[in-house]
Amino acid sequence: SQQGEEDPQALSIQEGENATMNCSYKTSINNLQWYRQNSGRGLVHLILIRSNEREKHSGRLRVTLDTSKKSSSLLITASRAADTASYFCATDSTDSWGKLQFGAGTQVVVTP
Amino acid sequence: GAVVSQHPSRVICKSGTSVKIECRSLDFQATTMFWYRQFPKKSLMLMATSNEGSKATYEQGVEKDKFLINHASLTLSTLTVTSAHPEDSSFYICSATRSRAQETQYFGPGTRLLVL
Repeated sequence: SQQGEEDPQALSIQEGENATMNCSYKTSINNLQWYRQNSGRGLVHLILIRSNEREKHSGRLRVTLDTSKKSSSLLITASRAADTASYFCATDSTDSWGKLQFGAGTQVVVTP
Repeated sequence: GAVVSQHPSRVICKSGTSVKIECRSLDFQATTMFWYRQFPKKSLMLMATSNEGSKATYEQGVEKDKFLINHASLTLSTLTVTSAHPEDSSFYICSATRSRAQETQYFGPGTRLLVL
């Protein structure tokens, strides 16, 4: 079964706007990771946030983690057309080291 | 860097044939490799975990005789889809980690399999 559930399923924005997507999960985790996938391609690791961290930044990306609510958010600021992709959260649960369980993904389209 | 390659990138085969997909870590030694399957516009589903020199661990519902995994070296894992059928058509993606302490998985570009 899916561990992570992303929300929204699809997001369409214009360049320069911010894009926010959320991920909820069910079990205890070691860490939560966000990945990006361009159509028909492999996954690119964006950012990892550990269970004892609440917020992390990397360039235009900002990730938050609320373990009490079992949820995470990914914010992409000042989006660009090149940010068009599917974004997945993946959890590394405490009872299954290293095995990532992926959410359904959010498809983001950024129009120029 | 941490580059993972897959070969072939896409393959078309006839029903009943076997197809081998290779996953290589190009610039690091991967103690663990993972194999995923992805249907169109869907998420990745973990199929199996492959550790160098030992048998792969398969996820529930994945037929080990159908999807043979061999992790013969620290840089190569292979997935063989035996007696492929049209329902095996999918996007297969591998990932690799440097060590058990390494949390980040580095993903290959994927292999698209079409079984006619």
